Amino acid sequence: DAKTTQPPSMDCAEGRAANLPCNHSTISGNEYVYWYRQIHSQGPQYIIHGLKNNETNEMASLIITEDRKSSTLILPHATLRDTAVYYCIVISNFGNEKLTFGTGTRLTIIP
Amino acid sequence: DAGITQSPRHKVTETGTPVTLRCHQTENHRYMYWYRQDPGHGLRLIHYSYGVKDTDKGEVSDGYSVSRSKTEDFLLTLESATSSQTSVYFCAISEGYRVGYTFGSGTRLTVV
Repeated sequence: DAKTTQPPSMDCAEGRAANLPCNHSTISGNEYVYWYRQIHSQGPQYIIHGLKNNETNEMASLIITEDRKSSTLILPHATLRDTAVYYCIVISNFGNEKLTFGTGTRLTIIP
Repeated sequence: DAGITQSPRHKVTETGTPVTLRCHQTENHRYMYWYRQDPGHGLRLIHYSYGVKDTDKGEVSDGYSVSRSKTEDFLLTLESATSSQTSVYFCAISEGYRVGYTFGSGTRLTVV
């Protein structure tokens, strides 16, 4: 069973903030939320990850709800180069669990 | 991506022939992975390695074998290629299971 649920597609105007939601209602206390993206035909690219606190880096911000059942990836000023498939992944910080990719959200930035 | 290269980038081969794909890293990362990506299935883990000579199966390992005789190289072999193995293959490296993975640019394999 999928650990995460994402909308299959979204559009966002260039220059606006892109907010990508992810539901992970069965997340357990030792599981992190990771975000990757895949630009057409390229290998996936790591964006950001978090456990329970909000996180920010040079690429994006990650907002995790207090109950940890959902999160939002924010690209603050979307550009055309942000058009990609975005994957939200939940993974434990124990054991040897590997990244498992779902089908993600296809984000299209509109000029 | 810097530090990880896959070869070849493209290959066409005939059914029944053996094929080896190579993943080479210069980051000295312990962990290496092979994924395949097909329309409608996303990325699926084939095999992974957690050190030299230490490998294990992923979710779609049938028909594939791997070897890692040195830290920098992880080879994926299709012993007898089939048309169902036509796919894009991605290699990834990481310092740990839960540390951000770095992916290669992919190998597009077509089995005819």
